[in-house]
Amino acid sequence: GAVVSQHPSRVICKSGTSVKIECRSLDFQATTMFWYRQFPKQSLMLMATSNEGSKATYEQGVEKDKFLINHASLTLSTLTVTSAHPEDSSFYICRGGTGAQSPREAFFGQGTRLTVV
Amino acid sequence: DAKTTQPPSMDCAEGRAANLPCNHSTISGNEYVYWYRQIHSQGPQYIIHGLKNNETNEMASLIITEDRKSSTLILPHATLRDTAVYYCIVRVIQGAQKLVFGQGTRLTINP
Repeated sequence: GAVVSQHPSRVICKSGTSVKIECRSLDFQATTMFWYRQFPKQSLMLMATSNEGSKATYEQGVEKDKFLINHASLTLSTLTVTSAHPEDSSFYICRGGTGAQSPREAFFGQGTRLTVV
Repeated sequence: DAKTTQPPSMDCAEGRAANLPCNHSTISGNEYVYWYRQIHSQGPQYIIHGLKNNETNEMASLIITEDRKSSTLILPHATLRDTAVYYCIVRVIQGAQKLVFGQGTRLTINP
């Protein structure tokens, strides 16, 4: 089945530094990548949607200058958390979309646990 | 996408059937019912989906009421590894459409 590989699975960084999270679609072309954030004991919240080769669309309340999304190819999308702060500590998950009708799709990455200290 | 309502938590004994309900009274005619689950600290996993007929696969069965306003996910023989948060989502069938997650049901399988 379709696989999205997300790295790293865990990262600890110092406050004020930037962290990059990568999502690669291994056996399909992800024309769209969705980025979610999940705080402890809460549901997944959509942060932004990116289409290959164009700028990402951010959900209300998500700072586009803080969460930089790059989707330069059909197999790679990255999320960079810039100037990270402890409140950015969360579980970040990506999901790839093909743009075609795909009833089975469950193309989620494994998630990245970010801890900012 | 139509909104869904699920109980926040449920318990089930190992080996028994786990029946997880979902209400989606505002579902549109072209919207499917999807179920995903999320085991702790992992990405969501697809379970099953359906439009109006009952569906079964190797993981679960999906029972959709005739008026399509509610559905039930059935795990026929629950194991400890089925402990997870289960999300019911209604959406049109399109690969690039965003999924909006509700709070889901936290299912605990007890030995």
